[in-house]
Amino acid sequence: GAVVSQHPSWVICKSGTSVKIECRSLDFQATTMFWYRQFPKQSLMLMATSNEGSKATYEQGVEKDKFLINHASLTLSTLTVTSAHPEDSSFYICSARDFLLEGGYQETQYFGPGTRLLVL
Amino acid sequence: KNQVEQSPQSLIILEGKNCTLQCNYTVSPFSNLRWYKQDTGRGPVSLTIMTFSENTKSNGRYTATLDADTKQSSLHITASQLSDSASYICVVSANRGGYNKLIFGAGTRLAVHP
Repeated sequence: GAVVSQHPSWVICKSGTSVKIECRSLDFQATTMFWYRQFPKQSLMLMATSNEGSKATYEQGVEKDKFLINHASLTLSTLTVTSAHPEDSSFYICSARDFLLEGGYQETQYFGPGTRLLVL
Repeated sequence: KNQVEQSPQSLIILEGKNCTLQCNYTVSPFSNLRWYKQDTGRGPVSLTIMTFSENTKSNGRYTATLDADTKQSSLHITASQLSDSASYICVVSANRGGYNKLIFGAGTRLAVHP
């Protein structure tokens, strides 16, 4: 299957600093990438949908000025957590959508390995 | 109320035993249903994917079933191994405005003990 990578895999930062997380589709072009957040023992929650070359679409309750998303190429999307605070500590997961047929389905999402953010 | 409900929340079984995880959904319009395995601290990995016309799909020791009429799915794990310890997430895809939006269940945390 397709591979999606994330960097860094974990990061610890001081409160007030900004953190950038990269999401790359390694062997396919992804016009759409998704950013999720997952708190302990909870399921993934969609934060935003990122389309290459256009502005991201944010889910209700997600601050677009705090979570900056850039999708400048078909293989790279970045999430920047600006002025991070301890409540932003979470597991951030990206996924990339591949529109190539897979077993007859229109599209499928491949998930990255996640980035664990700890804000002190 | 979550549109995808999973049960049980957590499960402990002995190595070698079988188990079945349940998923009920109310998502509409339904596009497809997937089961993912998520190891601790890792991203989800797809196990199976089924459309409304498929009743069962196997992937090694994992067998998923789907009843589109009752909107229920199950994931059966045969001859469990220690490496099966993970969260299993049921994800229903809804066709919204020409693309599929994923609706996630809360997951079932499975622990396989020796």
